Amino acid sequence: ETGVTQTPRHLVMGMTNKKSLKCEQHLGHNAMYWYKQSAKKPLELMFVYSLEERVENNSVPSRFSPECPNSSHLFLHLHTLQPEDSALYLCASSLMSGREQFFGPGTRLTVL
Amino acid sequence: DAKTTQPPSMDCAEGRAANLPCNHSTISGNEYVYWYRQIHSQGPQYIIHGLKNNETNEMASLIITEDRKSSTLILPHATLRDTAVYYCIVRVAGGSQGNLIFGKGTKLSVKP
Repeated sequence: ETGVTQTPRHLVMGMTNKKSLKCEQHLGHNAMYWYKQSAKKPLELMFVYSLEERVENNSVPSRFSPECPNSSHLFLHLHTLQPEDSALYLCASSLMSGREQFFGPGTRLTVL
Repeated sequence: DAKTTQPPSMDCAEGRAANLPCNHSTISGNEYVYWYRQIHSQGPQYIIHGLKNNETNEMASLIITEDRKSSTLILPHATLRDTAVYYCIVRVAGGSQGNLIFGKGTKLSVKP
């Protein structure tokens, strides 16, 4: 039990759909992260939020839109995705930015 | 790019110690060595980290050479559930420079 939950665990969507991934942490952390893990590639950091403010955006296409309404919740809004966006999307949190991170189980996304 | 070099794969017999090496010859004085692992289809799990001294916790031991250019993660009594990809990461603690940059890791297979 890591204290970081993600929903849904699996998602299949068409290229014209709009969907959102949700992450929730119950650890009292104030930094949250989105990572992407494509097949046979290392994890890639997408976004970092610290104290609900986005502090890093690693050149992620605008079809991915993060939202952090409070320190416990993080969303990734998806719009007009491409098949190459199919991947495991992982959320993580840490007590502060730069401290050890605790990961959720991930959302397996398939874009048709 | 990841600043560490790890063997792509290793095997270990169940009940024996698993020793996973990592080279980080360009590590800076303020960078820590972190270890995470990722069991198939799950999010990464924090294991241990250290700066200069050897560290031990309930999961593993971390041995860092005196020149800090390499380290070894030791799982003292490997079980089948320790089969995973193990990532060695160097990073500063705190701030955006402390973000995790994952390499390809070492795939450890624990065999009965």
